[in-house]
Amino acid sequence: KAGVTQTPRYLIKTRGQQVTLSCSPISGHRSVSWYQQTPGQGLQFLFEYFSETQRNKGNFPGRFSGRQFSNSRSEMNVSTLELGDSALYLCASRESPSSGNTIYFGEGSWLTVV
Amino acid sequence: DAKTTQPNSMESNEEEPVHLPCNHSTISGTDYIHWYRQLPSQGPEYVIHGLTSNVNNRMASLAIAEDRKSSTLILHRATLRDAAVYYCIRVSGSARQLTFGSGTQLTVLP
Repeated sequence: KAGVTQTPRYLIKTRGQQVTLSCSPISGHRSVSWYQQTPGQGLQFLFEYFSETQRNKGNFPGRFSGRQFSNSRSEMNVSTLELGDSALYLCASRESPSSGNTIYFGEGSWLTVV
Repeated sequence: DAKTTQPNSMESNEEEPVHLPCNHSTISGTDYIHWYRQLPSQGPEYVIHGLTSNVNNRMASLAIAEDRKSSTLILHRATLRDAAVYYCIRVSGSARQLTFGSGTQLTVLP
């Protein structure tokens, strides 16, 4: 079956703009989580959604938000973009938030803020 | 604050075993240890995970210390395709947290 699909793969935005990234989980997976990866900070957890509800959130400002739809697809939004938001944004899915479930990552969306 | 620590880099010769360590200073009984690896410009790929017992699959073995404060990912015969950044992740069910290690860059020498 298809893996985790993220769109767009690459995008360039200007400071102050906003961006929306999309994630389609593996079929049957109801938990979707988002991560930011930068050379300096490594992989950092943004938030996780399960059954359209945000379960937990990492230590990021309120400019970072997300949502999950009834079909488990998810979007994340970053408003008022800053240069430091340039990063690889990864989406991952699993069947449920159980700690024993395998997490499957997408290829990521490369965001460059200029 | 819970920490998951890994060495920044390791080297191995091709076809030799590799032991990648990870320390998880704070871990509860329901926290699983997951290992993923990441190639350049790709998302992390699942390798293995476990709770208490040692685990084996076609890719690797995972050895978990008795006190569960450390784990070791074992690649039995390293190949050039195993060169990647390996991440150790503590996945907490109760606290709903994922704690990432900083990753170990594995270089495999021919």
